[in-house]
Amino acid sequence: GENVEQHPSTLSVQEGDSAVIKCTYSDSASNYFPWYKQELGKRPQLIIDIRSNVGEKKDQRIAVTLNKTAKHFSLHITETQPEDSAVYFCAAPNNFGNEKLTFGTGTRLTIIP
Amino acid sequence: EADIYQTPRYLVIGTGKKITLECSQTMGHDKMYWYQQDPGMELHLIHYSYGVNSTEKGDLSSESTVSRIRTEHFPLTLESARPSHTSQYLCASSGPGETQYFGPGTRLLVL
Repeated sequence: GENVEQHPSTLSVQEGDSAVIKCTYSDSASNYFPWYKQELGKRPQLIIDIRSNVGEKKDQRIAVTLNKTAKHFSLHITETQPEDSAVYFCAAPNNFGNEKLTFGTGTRLTIIP
Repeated sequence: EADIYQTPRYLVIGTGKKITLECSQTMGHDKMYWYQQDPGMELHLIHYSYGVNSTEKGDLSSESTVSRIRTEHFPLTLESARPSHTSQYLCASSGPGETQYFGPGTRLLVL
């Protein structure tokens, strides 16, 4: 099955600076990589995802990069704001249809005003 | 508004009781999922369903059972609750794409 490792487990960043969270996966056949944000007491929400046919995807201040050879993908948040404080989870599929997701252990991001 | 609903949101119950956690969605999605998550920790898939009369076990072994009689409804049942079942249970659904949308969760405490 798929094994996903996520680093760091905690990250503190000065407001306005950039934050980077990295995940590695084990199954070279995996082709879909979502990132979820979970604020305290709230449900996880998808913020960005990437498929294996592209190397980078951007959505305003958020970007995800994928290195298929090294089997890792990273979340980049630029110009961080206090509302970016949350726990972020990466995931990779554990089956052909991408229904079974294996989640990383999460990164608690704190933005320091 | 299309959404995923879970009831109850909080449940405190004694050991040995039977409980059912309800999940319904108005998203029009075929696929539904149950995850278990301890506070601030990773999500573990315990059950999923491709559609009516389809149920599959996830990667995390669970003593719970599920049923899918209606497309919009995916209840999870614990026949005999134990303190080790204390956790948050998140229901999710997805449509033709891979994006999974989560419900607000049920926080379960078994005494």
